Amino acid sequence: DIVMTQSPDSLAVSLGERATINCKSSQSVLYSSNNKNYLGWYQQKPGQPPKLLIYWASTRQSGVPDRFSGSGSGTDFTLTINSLQAEDVAVYYCQQYYSSYTFGQGTKLELK
Amino acid sequence: QVQLQQSGPGLVKPSQTLSLTCAISGDSVSRNSAAWSWIRQSPSRGLEWLGRTYYRSTWYSDYPVSVKGRITINRDTSKNQFSLQLNSVTPEDTAVYYCARDVEEVDAFDIWGQGTMVTVSS
Repeated sequence: DIVMTQSPDSLAVSLGERATINCKSSQSVLYSSNNKNYLGWYQQKPGQPPKLLIYWASTRQSGVPDRFSGSGSGTDFTLTINSLQAEDVAVYYCQQYYSSYTFGQGTKLELK
Repeated sequence: QVQLQQSGPGLVKPSQTLSLTCAISGDSVSRNSAAWSWIRQSPSRGLEWLGRTYYRSTWYSDYPVSVKGRITINRDTSKNQFSLQLNSVTPEDTAVYYCARDVEEVDAFDIWGQGTMVTVSS
């Protein structure tokens, strides 16, 4: 199984500032034949299912604000939230779908 | 607007079978470019994919090794729904269970059910 490791486990960011969450996969999730990274990012708020924010590592899902962006390739990925809003407080997960499906352990984002 | 509506009991006794259903609206379980999965979430195991069913001229089901042999994911095309059966449950199977869709254009899970908290206890 591909193991997904996120860092940090938690972080506190002030309103209007930038939040950066990292995700590392135990093997590459870049599919060479189509040059796509099989990596998604989700946001989960208490009592709700995860919500897809980013797929193919950097493509924003429809309706997701453009302050959310994804980057990276191969084994190292980043979710960046610019100009943090109060409604962004949540747990964020990365997930690979290159080989079966596995998720990171989650990063809890709080307000400072 | 695609929606997934889950149903099933929230309490199951140890050694018995956990059964949940996910009803689909706004899409078809037989769609050639979609797959229909079950995922669970617990504090100890995090988010764990349990398996999927999908149609590509014939029906397929995939399961991870961790639950293979204990799990069956079926579909009912007449009711446009799919279901989860997990046999021989133990307290370790206590979790929130979700159904979810992935489509080829996205490949990640873009639509989720509301979740069902299932407790395994006598």
